[in-house]
Amino acid sequence: AQSVTQLDSHVSVSEGTPVLLRCNYSSSYSPSLFWYVQHPNKGLQLLLKYTSAATLVKGINGFEAEFKKSETSFHLTKPSAHMSDAAEYFCVVSESTGNQFYFGTGTSLTVIP
Amino acid sequence: SAVISQKPSRDICQRGTSLTIQCQVDSQVTMMFWYRQQPGQSLTLIATANQGSEATYESGFVIDKFPISRPNLTFSTLTVSNMSPEDSSIYLCSVRLRANVLTFGAGSRLTVL
Repeated sequence: AQSVTQLDSHVSVSEGTPVLLRCNYSSSYSPSLFWYVQHPNKGLQLLLKYTSAATLVKGINGFEAEFKKSETSFHLTKPSAHMSDAAEYFCVVSESTGNQFYFGTGTSLTVIP
Repeated sequence: SAVISQKPSRDICQRGTSLTIQCQVDSQVTMMFWYRQQPGQSLTLIATANQGSEATYESGFVIDKFPISRPNLTFSTLTVSNMSPEDSSIYLCSVRLRANVLTFGAGSRLTVL
Protein backbone atom coordinates (compact mmCIF):
# COMPACT_ATOMS: atom_id res chain seq x y z
CA ALA A 1 0.00 0.00 0.00
CA GLN A 2 1.09 3.53 -0.71
CA SER A 3 1.30 6.30 1.83
CA VAL A 4 2.93 9.67 2.20
CA THR A 5 4.09 11.40 5.36
CA GLN A 6 4.98 15.06 5.40
CA LEU A 7 6.97 15.44 8.56
CA ASP A 8 6.25 19.11 9.22
CA SER A 9 2.83 20.71 9.11
CA HIS A 10 4.34 24.21 9.30
CA VAL A 11 7.77 25.53 8.31
CA SER A 12 8.90 29.08 8.80
CA VAL A 13 12.05 30.53 7.20
CA SER A 14 13.52 33.95 6.69
CA GLU A 15 13.67 35.39 3.22
CA GLY A 16 16.94 34.44 1.53
CA THR A 17 17.56 31.37 3.70
CA PRO A 18 17.27 27.74 2.56
CA VAL A 19 14.00 25.85 2.49
CA LEU A 20 13.63 22.18 3.42
CA LEU A 21 10.25 20.46 3.30
CA ARG A 22 10.37 16.81 4.27
CA CYS A 23 8.46 13.93 2.75
CA ASN A 24 8.68 10.20 3.37
CA TYR A 25 6.74 7.61 1.46
CA SER A 26 5.96 3.95 1.50
CA SER A 27 5.32 2.10 -1.70
CA SER A 28 5.09 -1.49 -2.78
CA TYR A 29 6.14 -0.62 -6.30
CA SER A 30 8.50 1.72 -8.06
CA PRO A 31 6.75 4.95 -7.25
CA SER A 32 6.28 8.20 -9.05
CA LEU A 33 6.69 11.13 -6.68
CA PHE A 34 5.51 14.69 -7.01
CA TRP A 35 5.55 17.99 -5.21
CA TYR A 36 2.68 20.40 -5.73
CA VAL A 37 2.27 23.95 -4.47
CA GLN A 38 -1.00 25.64 -3.60
CA HIS A 39 -1.04 29.38 -3.17
CA PRO A 40 -3.93 30.93 -1.23
CA ASN A 41 -7.24 30.62 -3.05
CA LYS A 42 -5.60 28.82 -5.95
CA GLY A 43 -5.53 25.30 -7.35
CA LEU A 44 -2.54 22.99 -7.15
CA GLN A 45 0.44 23.57 -9.40
CA LEU A 46 3.06 20.94 -10.19
CA LEU A 47 6.51 21.90 -8.91
CA LEU A 48 8.40 18.80 -9.96
CA LYS A 49 8.13 15.05 -10.45
CA TYR A 50 10.29 11.97 -10.10
CA THR A 51 9.58 9.05 -12.42
CA SER A 52 12.62 6.74 -12.10
CA ALA A 53 15.06 8.84 -14.08
CA ALA A 54 17.64 11.05 -12.34
CA THR A 55 17.33 10.96 -8.56
CA LEU A 56 17.86 14.72 -8.27
CA VAL A 57 14.91 16.44 -9.83
CA LYS A 58 14.82 20.12 -10.68
CA GLY A 59 11.52 21.91 -10.76
CA ILE A 60 10.12 25.34 -11.30
CA ASN A 61 10.95 28.46 -9.27
CA GLY A 62 14.33 27.12 -8.13
CA PHE A 63 12.96 24.12 -6.23
CA GLU A 64 14.52 20.68 -6.40
CA ALA A 65 14.02 17.34 -4.70
CA GLU A 66 16.15 14.26 -4.25
CA PHE A 67 14.76 10.76 -4.38
CA LYS A 68 16.51 8.55 -1.81
CA LYS A 69 15.27 5.02 -2.07
CA SER A 70 17.26 3.77 0.92
CA GLU A 71 15.60 6.41 3.10
CA THR A 72 12.24 6.34 1.28
CA SER A 73 12.40 10.10 1.20
CA PHE A 74 11.70 12.82 -1.34
CA HIS A 75 12.53 16.09 0.42
CA LEU A 76 11.94 19.41 -1.31
CA THR A 77 14.61 22.09 -1.12
CA LYS A 78 15.35 25.58 -2.34
CA PRO A 79 18.61 27.43 -1.68
CA SER A 80 17.06 30.82 -1.02
CA ALA A 81 13.47 31.49 -0.01
CA HIS A 82 11.47 34.24 -1.62
CA MET A 83 8.37 35.90 -0.22
CA SER A 84 6.37 34.48 -3.11
CA ASP A 85 7.20 30.94 -1.94
CA ALA A 86 4.78 31.28 0.98
CA ALA A 87 2.16 28.63 0.23
CA GLU A 88 0.98 25.11 1.04
CA TYR A 89 3.10 22.27 -0.35
CA PHE A 90 1.89 18.74 -0.97
CA CYS A 91 3.97 15.63 -1.51
CA VAL A 92 2.21 13.04 -3.66
CA VAL A 93 3.02 9.43 -4.51
CA SER A 94 1.61 7.31 -7.29
CA GLU A 95 2.32 3.76 -8.25
CA SER A 96 3.66 3.12 -11.73
CA THR A 97 0.25 2.58 -13.34
CA GLY A 98 -0.80 6.06 -12.28
CA ASN A 99 -4.29 5.01 -11.31
CA GLN A 100 -4.08 6.18 -7.73
CA PHE A 101 -2.48 9.24 -6.21
CA TYR A 102 -1.84 9.57 -2.49
CA PHE A 103 -1.50 13.03 -1.01
CA GLY A 104 0.44 14.03 2.06
CA THR A 105 -1.24 16.24 4.63
CA GLY A 106 0.61 19.31 3.42
CA THR A 107 3.26 21.67 4.76
CA SER A 108 2.50 25.33 5.17
CA LEU A 109 5.55 27.44 4.36
CA THR A 110 5.84 30.91 5.86
CA VAL A 111 8.55 33.27 4.64
CA ILE A 112 9.53 36.01 7.06
CA PRO A 113 10.78 39.28 5.56
CA SER B 1 -0.35 20.65 -20.27
CA ALA B 2 -4.12 20.89 -20.18
CA VAL B 3 -6.03 23.95 -19.08
CA ILE B 4 -8.89 23.20 -16.73
CA SER B 5 -11.68 25.67 -16.08
CA GLN B 6 -13.96 25.25 -13.11
CA LYS B 7 -17.19 27.08 -12.38
CA PRO B 8 -18.19 28.52 -10.03
CA SER B 9 -14.94 29.62 -8.44
CA ARG B 10 -16.77 30.16 -5.19
CA ASP B 11 -20.31 30.13 -3.87
CA ILE B 12 -22.22 30.54 -0.66
CA CYS B 13 -25.18 28.22 -0.33
CA GLN B 14 -27.96 27.53 2.10
CA ARG B 15 -28.28 24.29 3.98
CA GLY B 16 -30.40 21.71 2.16
CA THR B 17 -29.78 23.04 -1.33
CA SER B 18 -27.66 21.53 -4.09
CA LEU B 19 -24.85 22.98 -6.17
CA THR B 20 -23.42 21.75 -9.46
CA ILE B 21 -19.76 22.40 -10.23
CA GLN B 22 -18.61 22.33 -13.82
CA CYS B 23 -15.20 21.28 -15.11
CA GLN B 24 -14.10 21.98 -18.67
CA VAL B 25 -10.81 20.73 -20.10
CA ASP B 26 -9.22 22.09 -23.26
CA SER B 27 -8.24 18.63 -24.50
CA GLN B 28 -9.82 15.19 -24.54
CA VAL B 29 -9.03 13.06 -21.52
CA THR B 30 -10.15 9.61 -20.52
CA MET B 31 -10.25 10.02 -16.76
CA MET B 32 -11.30 13.01 -14.72
CA PHE B 33 -10.99 13.11 -10.96
CA TRP B 34 -12.94 15.02 -8.35
CA TYR B 35 -11.25 15.88 -5.07
CA ARG B 36 -12.43 17.53 -1.90
CA GLN B 37 -10.18 19.68 0.25
CA GLN B 38 -11.73 20.49 3.59
CA PRO B 39 -10.48 23.56 5.44
CA GLY B 40 -6.84 23.14 6.44
CA GLN B 41 -6.76 19.58 5.15
CA SER B 42 -5.20 17.65 2.32
CA LEU B 43 -7.00 16.39 -0.76
CA THR B 44 -9.38 13.46 -0.66
CA LEU B 45 -10.48 11.72 -3.83
CA ILE B 46 -14.25 11.69 -4.19
CA ALA B 47 -14.61 9.80 -7.44
CA THR B 48 -13.15 9.05 -10.85
CA ALA B 49 -15.28 9.93 -13.85
CA ASN B 50 -14.84 8.04 -17.11
CA GLN B 51 -16.73 9.06 -20.20
CA GLY B 52 -19.49 6.63 -21.06
CA SER B 53 -19.64 4.85 -17.75
CA GLU B 54 -20.70 5.50 -14.19
CA ALA B 55 -18.28 7.23 -11.91
CA THR B 56 -16.27 5.17 -9.46
CA TYR B 57 -16.65 6.46 -5.91
CA GLU B 58 -14.14 6.18 -3.10
CA SER B 59 -15.00 4.84 0.30
CA GLY B 60 -17.13 7.31 2.21
CA PHE B 61 -18.61 8.97 -0.86
CA VAL B 62 -21.89 7.94 -2.47
CA ILE B 63 -23.59 8.76 -5.72
CA ASP B 64 -26.74 10.10 -4.07
CA LYS B 65 -24.72 12.76 -2.30
CA PHE B 66 -22.21 13.51 -5.07
CA PRO B 67 -23.75 12.67 -8.46
CA ILE B 68 -21.31 13.07 -11.33
CA SER B 69 -21.91 13.46 -15.02
CA ARG B 70 -19.36 12.88 -17.79
CA PRO B 71 -21.13 13.51 -21.08
CA ASN B 72 -17.99 13.77 -23.22
CA LEU B 73 -14.20 13.67 -23.08
CA THR B 74 -13.77 17.34 -22.15
CA PHE B 75 -16.47 18.01 -19.58
CA SER B 76 -17.74 16.79 -16.23
CA THR B 77 -19.97 18.02 -13.45
CA LEU B 78 -20.07 17.25 -9.75
CA THR B 79 -23.20 17.99 -7.75
CA VAL B 80 -23.12 18.40 -4.01
CA SER B 81 -26.62 17.48 -2.90
CA ASN B 82 -28.62 18.40 0.18
CA MET B 83 -25.72 20.43 1.51
CA SER B 84 -24.81 20.86 5.14
CA PRO B 85 -22.09 23.04 6.71
CA GLU B 86 -19.84 19.96 6.76
CA ASP B 87 -19.76 20.14 2.95
CA SER B 88 -17.97 23.48 3.08
CA SER B 89 -14.78 22.71 1.18
CA ILE B 90 -12.80 23.36 -1.94
CA TYR B 91 -13.80 20.98 -4.70
CA LEU B 92 -11.10 20.36 -7.29
CA CYS B 93 -11.33 18.84 -10.72
CA SER B 94 -8.24 17.08 -12.03
CA VAL B 95 -7.08 15.20 -15.09
CA ARG B 96 -4.19 12.85 -15.60
CA LEU B 97 -1.99 13.59 -18.56
CA ARG B 98 1.16 12.04 -19.99
CA ALA B 99 3.78 10.80 -17.53
CA ASN B 100 1.00 10.26 -15.01
CA VAL B 101 0.93 13.87 -13.94
CA LEU B 102 -2.21 15.31 -12.37
CA THR B 103 -3.28 18.75 -13.53
CA PHE B 104 -5.80 20.64 -11.42
CA GLY B 105 -8.39 23.29 -11.94
CA ALA B 106 -8.36 26.32 -9.68
CA GLY B 107 -11.04 24.80 -7.50
CA SER B 108 -14.53 25.73 -6.41
CA ARG B 109 -14.71 27.10 -2.90
CA LEU B 110 -18.05 26.22 -1.34
CA THR B 111 -19.41 27.68 1.89
CA VAL B 112 -22.63 26.25 3.30
CA LEU B 113 -24.53 28.30 5.85
